[in-house]
Amino acid sequence: DAMVIQNPRYQVTQFGKPVTLSCSQTLNHNVMYWYQQKSSQAPKLLFHYYDKDFNNEADTPDNFQSRRPNTSFCFLDIRSPGLGDAAMYLCATSRDIGQHYEQYFGPGTRLTVT
Amino acid sequence: AQSVSQHNHHVILSEAASLELGCNYSYGGTVNLFWYVQYPGQHLQLLLKYFSGDPLVKGIKGFEAEFIKSKFSFNLRKPSVQWSDTAEYFCAVNEPYMRFGAGTRLTVKP
Repeated sequence: DAMVIQNPRYQVTQFGKPVTLSCSQTLNHNVMYWYQQKSSQAPKLLFHYYDKDFNNEADTPDNFQSRRPNTSFCFLDIRSPGLGDAAMYLCATSRDIGQHYEQYFGPGTRLTVT
Repeated sequence: AQSVSQHNHHVILSEAASLELGCNYSYGGTVNLFWYVQYPGQHLQLLLKYFSGDPLVKGIKGFEAEFIKSKFSFNLRKPSVQWSDTAEYFCAVNEPYMRFGAGTRLTVKP
């Protein structure tokens, strides 16, 4: 089945130690998104790629970076994780950008910062 | 930009009770509205979506939602909930990226 895959499902890192989260998709969608979801809160968009074009949300901290080496993969890099970065990180894809294009979500990676 | 608001933060129901979760969107012309569900420990799943046409939208698992333009609302309903409906429910607007409401936690008591 075509899907959005996130690895690992659970990640523990130390305060200040760089960490990378991975997302892959078999849907061949043009757009890939990263959301941060803190406990009991709504998912919040961090940034997205339209093909190779990177688009950062205005309030996304500089500590968060992303790479998309090809259509299928997208990575979220947290350069110096703080305790406040502990959250669920959701990857999503859509065929295109616009109101009519549904987003498909992966299962998420739960990040713990110790 | 469009936004959505959900007024019920936590709803507790007994099995077989009827459900209605509120969602209001901000004015801004054409809207595409969605309801997602997140079961404990699982990923977001699409329940239903409204783009245009019939304002009463039927989704999976017996859920439906009604788009009422005059009230800027897109409330989610289910006539009889089950214990397995216990989850977090998010209303969202796709403009042009998915923007979520704060979510409503539904607890269904067996």
